[in-house]
Amino acid sequence: EVQLVESGGGLVQPGRSLRLSCAASGFTFDDYAMHWVRQAPGKGLEWVSGISWNSGSIGYADSVKGRFTISRDNAKNSLYLQMNSLRAEDTALYYCAKGLYGAVAVGFDYWGQGTLVTVSS
Amino acid sequence: QSVLTQPPSASGTPGQRVTISCSGSSSNIGSNYVYWYQQLPGTAPKLLIYRNNQRPSGVPDRFSGSKSGTSASLAISGLRSEDEADYYCAAWDDSLSGLYVFGTGTKVTVL
Repeated sequence: EVQLVESGGGLVQPGRSLRLSCAASGFTFDDYAMHWVRQAPGKGLEWVSGISWNSGSIGYADSVKGRFTISRDNAKNSLYLQMNSLRAEDTALYYCAKGLYGAVAVGFDYWGQGTLVTVSS
Repeated sequence: QSVLTQPPSASGTPGQRVTISCSGSSSNIGSNYVYWYQQLPGTAPKLLIYRNNQRPSGVPDRFSGSKSGTSASLAISGLRSEDEADYYCAAWDDSLSGLYVFGTGTKVTVL
């Protein structure tokens, strides 16, 4: 059974940093792209970032480019999102999602339950 | 900021057919696969349709997807109370930076 468990969320002040993690199990992690998707309270879905199976291809939404960094450790079956210079508008539930294939430019078939990030002073 | 446009709401009675539209452009729907996700209240999204019209195992054949040009649609036939949820279309966008874009979302209500 595919499982994706996010962690690292919390309350953080504007301008500070936070690192999210996603622990994956139930599939061959290094065969698939992975993504972060967020959902602000009461709002729709927004793709944040994606990384291919071998980290060779990475993409970011314009809203986070230059501030967020996605990475993965295939030996640890883990996905990360380093978030710097956080803003109030980054407040959202952050989901980890498994790509359908190894390439980054495809959709996702499994999602975690999310970790909440609140940016506020 | 969503670049795929969906109607904010749709509704039907049990057993009816409901269709949700998703309008995009040549850089996203027009040149890439469309995906549909279902988000039940208080839960994570779930993949409903991939590659325009393919259903993952476990998804009932009441759900079907189609695509034509720069638009796509999701049809739910034989509407059931458990179908009450938010539905999002999505596609990769071949714009300058390349990114994955979601639709604005449609709330389906079963009357």
